[in-house]
Amino acid sequence: GAVVSQHPSWVICKSGTSVKIECRSLDFQATTMFWYRQFPKQSLMLMATSNEGSKATYEQGVEKDKFLINHASLTLSTLTVTSAHPEDSSFYICSASPGTGGGWTEAFFGQGTRLTVV
Amino acid sequence: DAKTTQPPSMDCAEGRAANLPCNHSTISGNEYVYWYRQIHSQGPQYIIHGLKNNETNEMASLIITEDRKSSTLILPHATLRDTAVYYCIVRVSFISSGSARQLTFGSGTQLTVLP
Repeated sequence: GAVVSQHPSWVICKSGTSVKIECRSLDFQATTMFWYRQFPKQSLMLMATSNEGSKATYEQGVEKDKFLINHASLTLSTLTVTSAHPEDSSFYICSASPGTGGGWTEAFFGQGTRLTVV
Repeated sequence: DAKTTQPPSMDCAEGRAANLPCNHSTISGNEYVYWYRQIHSQGPQYIIHGLKNNETNEMASLIITEDRKSSTLILPHATLRDTAVYYCIVRVSFISSGSARQLTFGSGTQLTVLP
């Protein structure tokens, strides 16, 4: 299957600092990528849709000024958690899907990034 | 996307078949049944999907009832590495959804394979 890679796998940061998480599609181009958040013992919740070359769209209740998304190329989307606080500690996961031209019929996920804010 | 209902947890003995049920009574005619799993602290992994016919791949089999209101994911010979949360998701195909390829995850079934 297609490969989506996230970096870093885990990060610990101090409260008030910013953290950047990268999501790369390694063997396909993705005009759209998705960012999810998962709190302990809960399911994945969609945070935002990252659109190459245009603004991201955010789900209701997700602060766009706090979770900055940049999708500058067809293989890279970044999520920056600004002024992180302990309540932002979570598991962040990105997803992408190859275009229909390649015959792919499912979405692929990165390995996730565990963010701990202390 | 249609709502799905799954049991919160199941156990299975190693080497035996694991049968994970999913109810999706409000599924629409153009919606597929997708199965993903999430091993602890990893991203979800695609398993299989189907529309109305039974499907099989190297990982699992998917049995969809004739009325399409429920389905069963079958792991034929469960191993300890199959311990994970299994998500049943109903949605239109990725091919027909354009760029709307996000998934809506329910609470899933925690499958624990016992030695």
